[in-house]
Amino acid sequence: EPEVTQTPSHQVTQMGQEVILRCVPISNHLYFYWYRQILGQKVEFLVSFYNNEISEKSEIFDDQFSVERPDGSNFTLKIRSTKLEDSAMYFCASSERTSGDSTDTQYFGPGTRLTVL
Amino acid sequence: AQSVTQLDSHVSVSEGTPVLLRCNYSSSYSPSLFWYVQHPNKGLQLLLKYTSAATLVKGINGFEAEFKKSETSFHLTKPSAHMSDAAEYFCVSSLPGGKLIFGQGTELSVKP
Repeated sequence: EPEVTQTPSHQVTQMGQEVILRCVPISNHLYFYWYRQILGQKVEFLVSFYNNEISEKSEIFDDQFSVERPDGSNFTLKIRSTKLEDSAMYFCASSERTSGDSTDTQYFGPGTRLTVL
Repeated sequence: AQSVTQLDSHVSVSEGTPVLLRCNYSSSYSPSLFWYVQHPNKGLQLLLKYTSAATLVKGINGFEAEFKKSETSFHLTKPSAHMSDAAEYFCVSSLPGGKLIFGQGTELSVKP
């Protein structure tokens, strides 16, 4: 069964450094998402991406964050200058969005745990 | 604003007994609702979804959920728990643009 993969599984970085989190969505999916979960808090939406541009972003997704689909398979989240409060589990998801509404199923990767020291 | 509340952060049951994980939602319109499960070191896996068709939704691994508009609830049930059901469960609502709103999660423990 196709699945979403994410690398690395755990990333440790120093405050102020740039990090890139990588995701390989399911191959025929058209919509891509990033979510994050700070320890002890709810999973929260960061950004959605379709047709090589951002569809929607949350207030969290400020200028320090960017997303990119550099080739036909990868989908990346970049944090330009990490802060302590960026420490969280980051989940990538993808969907076919064949119905074009909120009923589409999003398929999630296992997550990348980011630790900012 | 749309929100999802899972009423229990942790539920413990004995193997073979019923499971009930509670979820309430608030929405200004009829939402799409999902239950996802997360086993350790695995991605979030879809158990079932409600999309305004039948109010009783059957999912994988014997789970089902009933959408009750009058109670704004979408509780997850299973008649008989297995050890392999031990995991974290998330009740999730979807906005029209695809953005998902998560509950805080319920950790299910299953005792032998």
